[in-house]
Amino acid sequence: DIQMTQSPSSLSASVGDRVTITCRASQGISNYLAWYQQKPGEVPKLLLYAASTLQSGVPSRFSGSGSGTDFTLTINSLQPEDVATYYCQKYNSAPLTFGGGTKVEIK
Amino acid sequence: EVQLVESGGGLVQPGGSLRLSCSASGFTFSGDSMNWVRQAPGKGLEWVSSIGGGGDYIFYADSLKGRFTISRDNAKNSLYLQVSSLRAEDTAVYYCARLRKYGNHWGLDVWGQGTTVTVSS
Repeated sequence: DIQMTQSPSSLSASVGDRVTITCRASQGISNYLAWYQQKPGEVPKLLLYAASTLQSGVPSRFSGSGSGTDFTLTINSLQPEDVATYYCQKYNSAPLTFGGGTKVEIK
Repeated sequence: EVQLVESGGGLVQPGGSLRLSCSASGFTFSGDSMNWVRQAPGKGLEWVSSIGGGGDYIFYADSLKGRFTISRDNAKNSLYLQVSSLRAEDTAVYYCARLRKYGNHWGLDVWGQGTTVTVSS
């Protein structure tokens, strides 16, 4: 099965900073990748699919890129409400594996 | 309003079984693939299982095959997960989620609040 590895596992950044999270697939998955945000105590929320397509209602400071094995989620101008754990998930075929998550905190 | 509500979790002894349910409303249930995702305390998300809108396909995480069974009743707008031979490591919040199709792509766009399964003697 394809493994999904996220890095870093956690990060701390200042409000207004640009934050980049990486997700790597152990084999190529084209752009069949989604990103989710889970705020503390809340259920996960779909942010992007197709690696770079923003889900309706998601702020434009979130963006995604990548194809094949390497993907990034970027938060431009980090806001206090972005404190959360972010997960990537592959969906090219079952199993629909999640990455281990990246916890984003405010410095 | 699109909504998913899970139920059926609880405290169960090792080796025991439970049937988790997810009641859907606000959308055409039979038209969407449904999934179970779990999250152990303080841990990340783990995909558990998927079932097609008409039950035409079913997939499981390899580590759970044989112990977990997903099913659905479209007449009742309900999704189920039968979990058996439970182990301590199955302790988690179990979420049901809709897998929405966006052209050739997918995303888990609606999630329930989760039901907690605790396996302990």
